[in-house]
Amino acid sequence: AQKITQTQPGMFVQEKEAVTLDCTYDTSDQSYGLFWYKQPSSGEMIFLIYQGSYDEQNATEGRYSLNFQKARKSANLVISASQLGDSAMYFCAMSHKTSYDKVIFGPGTSLSVIP
Amino acid sequence: EAGVTQSPTHLIKTRGQQATLRCSPISGHTSVYWYQQALGLGLQFLLWYDEGEERNRGNFPPRFSGRQFPNYSSELNVNALELEDSALYLCASSVGARSVYEQYFGPGTRLTVT
Repeated sequence: AQKITQTQPGMFVQEKEAVTLDCTYDTSDQSYGLFWYKQPSSGEMIFLIYQGSYDEQNATEGRYSLNFQKARKSANLVISASQLGDSAMYFCAMSHKTSYDKVIFGPGTSLSVIP
Repeated sequence: EAGVTQSPTHLIKTRGQQATLRCSPISGHTSVYWYQQALGLGLQFLLWYDEGEERNRGNFPPRFSGRQFPNYSSELNVNALELEDSALYLCASSVGARSVYEQYFGPGTRLTVT
């Protein structure tokens, strides 16, 4: 069965420092996608970054990068130069690349950026 | 361009009642998705509507239902409310059927069942 694990319920990081949010997954699919969402206190889900299972390069989007280690089934999110506005819940998720409903989300990690 | 909007922002109901949640997609988007986010859990897929038709539903009982109107807005109905239905309900929209990372999310409706 597919499963996403985020073992850090809460994280703190000093402003301007980098932080890594952990995500491990389990799937028997060969083709899948991994992605991260940010959910501020206002509730909306903001898409951050996507990594396809066959992509050879790690995905990067501005200050966000995804450290994809396929053999270890991990897809950690790295946020560089943290900002106060990065304080939010972060969800790791996985989907089959052509399925619109087979989406599994992790329980989330609460990130607090300290001035 | 207006984003996905949801109403109401908060909804308080008692056990056994019915709740109706509404979602207006981004202009031009024809697909609407509903997700439930219970406290401490990630999102769980509820329903997907496209062009007025229900395309798929997640692993939820039949008392969770909905519809999509001709203007592509959508309504989620939860009948016979139970305490564990308390959650944030998120609506997302996309141009046609898209994977979740290509969906645009609304701010959510927080449903509290007492």
